Amino acid sequence: GAVVSQHPSRVICKSGTSVKIECRSLDFQATTMFWYRQFPKQSLMLMATSNEGSKATYEQGVEKDKFLINHASLTLSTLTVTSAHPEDSSFYICSAGTPEAEAFFGQGTRLTVV
Amino acid sequence: AQTVTQSQPEMSVQEAETVTLSCTYDTSESDYYLFWYKQPPSRQMILVIRQEAYKQQNATENRFSVNFQKAAKSFSLKISDSQLGDAAMYFCAYRNYGQNFVFGPGTRLSVLP
Repeated sequence: GAVVSQHPSRVICKSGTSVKIECRSLDFQATTMFWYRQFPKQSLMLMATSNEGSKATYEQGVEKDKFLINHASLTLSTLTVTSAHPEDSSFYICSAGTPEAEAFFGQGTRLTVV
Repeated sequence: AQTVTQSQPEMSVQEAETVTLSCTYDTSESDYYLFWYKQPPSRQMILVIRQEAYKQQNATENRFSVNFQKAAKSFSLKISDSQLGDAAMYFCAYRNYGQNFVFGPGTRLSVLP
């Protein structure tokens, strides 16, 4: 299957700082990528859909000014958590794929805000 | 809006035995895709099997097979000859063409030696 690389896998940051998470499709072009948040022992919650060359579509309740998404190329989408707070600590996962196919997931990023 | 339900929060199976995980979904669409994903402790999401709704034949992938009942909107996963490495969270997922995925709440599968 296709490979999606997510970086970093773990990050610890201080409250009030910003953190950028990268999601790359290594062997295919992804016009659409998805960003999820996963709380412990829960399912994946879609945060936003990232579209190459246009603004991301955010799910209801997700603050677009806090979770900045940029999809500047067909192989890279970034999620920036701005002014991070301890409640933003979570596991973030990206995925990419074609419209009719399964999604390929990145390895996930465990964010801890102290 | 589409919804996916997994009624079994936890399941366990003896090694080498067979287990079935349940999934039901709700949609008004006729064409869509269904998936089972596995999430081991590493938390990497791994595709187990996929099914296109227009196909009547149930998908199989080695020890994994599905029972797709379109009219009943049911999509169960059968794992045969269970192995210790099958222990994980299993998520059932629904997708319309070009749309985002809708995931179920998950079933935690334990494999007993």
